[in-house]
Amino acid sequence: DVKVTQSSRYLVKRTGEKVFLECVQDMDHENMFWYRQDPGLGLRLIYFSYDVKMKEKGDIPEGYSVSREKKERFSLILESASTNQTSMYLCASSSTSGSYNEQFFGPGTRLTVL
Amino acid sequence: LAKTTQPISMDSYEGQEVNITCSHNNIATNDYITWYQQFPSQGPRFIIQGYKTKVTNEVASLFIPADRKSSTLSLPRVSLSDTAVYYCLVGDAWAGGFKTIFGAGTRLFVKA
Repeated sequence: DVKVTQSSRYLVKRTGEKVFLECVQDMDHENMFWYRQDPGLGLRLIYFSYDVKMKEKGDIPEGYSVSREKKERFSLILESASTNQTSMYLCASSSTSGSYNEQFFGPGTRLTVL
Repeated sequence: LAKTTQPISMDSYEGQEVNITCSHNNIATNDYITWYQQFPSQGPRFIIQGYKTKVTNEVASLFIPADRKSSTLSLPRVSLSDTAVYYCLVGDAWAGGFKTIFGAGTRLFVKA
């Protein structure tokens, strides 16, 4: 069964802290994505990666960076957390083969920045 | 990227057929239409994807008219467990850069 896991379900950090959110997929997918979800706004794409060490900005990359050193792992980094980054963060992966490019999502990390 | 418009919420009763329509007036030639379902405290789950006409799987049907400026997700005989948020997405499914815009989705509430 396909699986995307995220390092934490809930995380509480203080303003100014450096925050790492980890995502691991076991499906050998080429593409990986980071979204944030806020009430009334749906999911917004932060960054995505289509290969190891490759990354592209999504719609709201400001305040975030990413790292993909291995194919199965995609990390989201908040260099200096701020209260407006309190949100649900969702990781997803997809394959470049197959007919649907379906994205598989992890359970999400609810981050609170105090 | 084409923007989508869908109703904010819908109510239904168990056993009814539910149709959720999505408008995407600026859809491009290479764009596919994809629908996802999301339950509380979970990530979205792929339901169905299509390019034109009608697509059906074990979960839903997707109707796309010839001009492709809208699409309708049809859920047959819904149950309480179909209460969820449904997202319509339009995007180029090119493997190297599948950028997606999820929007706010449609919150479906199924009543007994």
